[in-house]
Amino acid sequence: AQTVTQSQPEMSVQEAETVTLSCTYDTSESDYYLFWYKQPPSRQMILVIRQEAYKQQNATENRFSVNFQKAAKSFSLKISDSQLGDAAMYFCAYSRRGGTYKYIFGTGTRLKVLA
Amino acid sequence: ETGVTQTPRHLVMGMTNKKSLKCEQHLGHNAMYWYKQSAKKPLELMFVYSLEERVENNSVPSRFSPECPNSSHLFLHLHTLQPEDSALYLCASSQGRQGGITGELFFGEGSRLTVL
Repeated sequence: AQTVTQSQPEMSVQEAETVTLSCTYDTSESDYYLFWYKQPPSRQMILVIRQEAYKQQNATENRFSVNFQKAAKSFSLKISDSQLGDAAMYFCAYSRRGGTYKYIFGTGTRLKVLA
Repeated sequence: ETGVTQTPRHLVMGMTNKKSLKCEQHLGHNAMYWYKQSAKKPLELMFVYSLEERVENNSVPSRFSPECPNSSHLFLHLHTLQPEDSALYLCASSQGRQGGITGELFFGEGSRLTVL
């Protein structure tokens, strides 16, 4: 069975600094998606970044980038120039491409941004 | 209205009440989901509908009853709930093809349920 593990329940970063959130996953599939979602307090969960496993290039969205290591089954999120608005729960998720509508989520990492 | 909207945002109910959660998506997606979010636990998939047909039912107790009248609307009917059912219930949608996933989930803001 596929699993997603986020080993850091909580992280802190100083405003304007860089932070990396870790995620590992387990699957026997070769074609899949990986996602990072952000859930601010009492607000909607939104997609931060998405990676397709067949793409070797790491995805980037403005200040957010990933380090996708397929062989190691690792998918970390780097946030550069952290802002107060980045404070949220961050969830790593996996889904098999064409798979039966199952998205597997990790337990989340709470990110605090210090002014 | 854009995206995925859920009502009500907050709901308090007794164990003998019957209530419903509503979700509506304005994205033209063909799959809709109910997830349960509890503190310090991964999101738990409850139900998935694809083209109005239930394709996943993740061993959810029968006191939760989903309904998908069309591809834009999804309901979760609640009856005789237990206090441990208190949680944030998230609705989501995605665009899929026959056979499953082709992209990401889009979430609503959630319905915070408290069962007394």
